[in-house]
Formats: sequence, C-alpha cells, structure tokens
Amino acid sequence: QVQLQESGPGLVKPSETLSLTCSVSGYSISSGHYWGWIRQTPAKGLEWIASIYYTGNTNYNPSLKSRVTMSVDTSKNQFSLKLTSVTAEDTAVYYCARERVLSYGYNFDSWGQGTLVTVSS
Amino acid sequence: SSELTQDPAVSVALGQTVRITCQGDSVRSFSPSWYQQKPGQAPVLVIYGENNRPSGIPDRFSGSRSGNTASLTITGAQAADEADYYCGSRDRSDNHRVFGGGTKVTVL
Repeated sequence: QVQLQESGPGLVKPSETLSLTCSVSGYSISSGHYWGWIRQTPAKGLEWIASIYYTGNTNYNPSLKSRVTMSVDTSKNQFSLKLTSVTAEDTAVYYCARERVLSYGYNFDSWGQGTLVTVSS
Repeated sequence: SSELTQDPAVSVALGQTVRITCQGDSVRSFSPSWYQQKPGQAPVLVIYGENNRPSGIPDRFSGSRSGNTASLTITGAQAADEADYYCGSRDRSDNHRVFGGGTKVTVL
C-alpha cells in the first residue's frame, strides 16, 4: 500500500522560499502515475499547486506558476516542491498525493497526512 | 480556467439520503472525483470516474453526472459520514486541476 509523507520547515519567513519533500513508500515513483501538491486554507479550501510525472513532465497552477518549481528524484523515491517569495497568504496545510490521470478524469487516490507551513517573521 | 461550484453546507437525518452537487463547465467533459475530509485529517477519495469506489469505501456512496452537474449521493447516511466533501476535476481546456469549494455534511 502506497504511503506518502511530507517533510520540511514548518515556519518560513516572508519573501523566502518554501521547500517541501514528499517521501513515497510502498510504491515506486518510476512505475508511473503523476504526483501532486495540494494546499488547504480555511479561506480558499483545497488548492491544487502542481503535478509531475516521473519523467519530469510538470503541470503548474497558473496562479502560482511564476513562483513554483516541482521536481522528482526517482533514486530516492521522492518528489519536491519549491515556492519562492512567500507571503502570509501562502500559510496553509500542504499535502502531497499520488494522482491517477485517466481519459475520463483525474483523481488523487492517496494522500500524505499534510504539513502545516506558516509564513511569518 | 474552470471553476467547480458546491453548496457550502447540507444536513441529512440519520439513515436518510443526501445528494451533494458540483457544477462547472469541466464536468461536461471530465468525470469529477469526490473526496471526504474529516477534521484534522487528509482528504480521502470516495468516488472517481463518475461512479467508481476505491477499495474500502462503503457502497452507500455513489456518483452520477448530467450535463454540467455531478452529484455525490450518500444513501442511508451514517454518523461517520459527517465531514466536508470536495469535488475535483481537470480544467476543460487546460491540463490544470481544480477543486470545488467543499460541502459540509451534517448528519442529524
């Protein structure tokens, strides 16, 4: 059974870069599937940030694209998120998830537990 | 990009049936997925591909789609079904993903 675990700093200063890593166990990233980052705030609910295929092909949320970079490390079975120039509005619970991309629709079928990232000086 | 619209809240009597809707242009082209989220927990996929349930999801959860509206139905709601429910899909024209604003289901 696939398991995902987010890791990274829980506190980031304004204007700095938020960096998170998702470690995957029970499933090889190289076996396929897309892998995604989603964040959640009380005000905006669930917000998709980005998705990546194991080959490195990425899709980014247009509203965040200028600040987001997603990468994958198949040797470590991990994928990562970097979000630059953060503000208080980037304070959220960040989730990583496995994504199935099917002809009739997409879905995130396995999620990490989530990690709270607070942007504050 | 597309948006998905959900009613903010709905209530249902224990054992009765409740339907949650998700409206948006992308629903015409792609079957949304549905997620259940309880307080302090990560979302859990309950329906995908219009009416497919992942392993372990009770069969009282079902999905449907008509035109620009998708629905999640809970038949015989249980206290354990009290949660927030989100629909999710891909954008109709771009390869982007989008979530609805969520519906809070209260079981009375």
